[in-house]
Amino acid sequence: AQSVTQLGSHVSVSEGALVLLRCNYSSSVPPYLFWYVQYPNQGLQLLLKYTSAATLVKGINGFEAEFKKSETSFHLTKPSAHMSDAAEYFCAVSDRLDDKIIFGKGTRLHILP
Amino acid sequence: DVKVTQSSRYLVKRTGEKVFLECVQDMDHENMFWYRQDPGLGLRLIYFSYDVKMKEKGDIPEGYSVSREKKERFSLILESASTNQTSMYLCASSFKGYSNTEAFFGQGTRLTVV
Repeated sequence: AQSVTQLGSHVSVSEGALVLLRCNYSSSVPPYLFWYVQYPNQGLQLLLKYTSAATLVKGINGFEAEFKKSETSFHLTKPSAHMSDAAEYFCAVSDRLDDKIIFGKGTRLHILP
Repeated sequence: DVKVTQSSRYLVKRTGEKVFLECVQDMDHENMFWYRQDPGLGLRLIYFSYDVKMKEKGDIPEGYSVSREKKERFSLILESASTNQTSMYLCASSFKGYSNTEAFFGQGTRLTVV
C-alpha cells in the first residue's frame, strides 16, 4: 500500500533562509507525487506535482521539489523564505493502480522575522 | 476555474443526530473524495467514489457512509454523530484514470459534535 512520511511536524526558518520540507514515500509502483499548501481557514491548493516527466519540478510561489527514486524522496525547497509562506504543507502520493490520493501528516512552516 | 463547494463552513450537531455533509463540483470530474483532517494526523481518506453510485472505503470509513446519486454531488453521512467525529471535513474531486492529475479541494466543513 502506498504511504507518505513527512519528517517534522513543525519547521521554523528565518525570513530569507532556505526552506526544506522533507517527504518520503512508499509505493509498489512508480508513483505520482504532489505537494499541497493550506493557508489558515482555507482548503488545500496544489503547489506542484511529479508525473515522471522530469525529476526536478517547479511549482508556484518559487517552490520546487526533486524526485529521487533511489532515496524514495520528494523534498520541497524554496531558496528564500517569505513571511507569506507560513502555512501547513502536505505531501501526497497516488499510485498508477487507482486514483486514490494518500496524504502525509503535514508540516507546519513557521517563518521567523 | 474548478470549483468544489461544500454546503457549510461550520456545523454544530448533537450526539446521536444524523448529519449530512454535501459537496458539489462543477468540472465534470468522475472521482470524488471525502477526507477528515485532524491536527497531527493530516488528511485521512474516509471514502472515495469513482463514478455515480460507485464507492470504495478509505482508511477510516467506520461511522460514515456516502451517497453519489449524481456525478456532481457527493454526500458524506454520519448515521449517529459522536463527539469523536468532531473534525474538519474536506471534499475533493479529480478526473478518473489520470492519476497524475491533482485533486481539487473545497473549503472544508468544520463539524463540532456536542
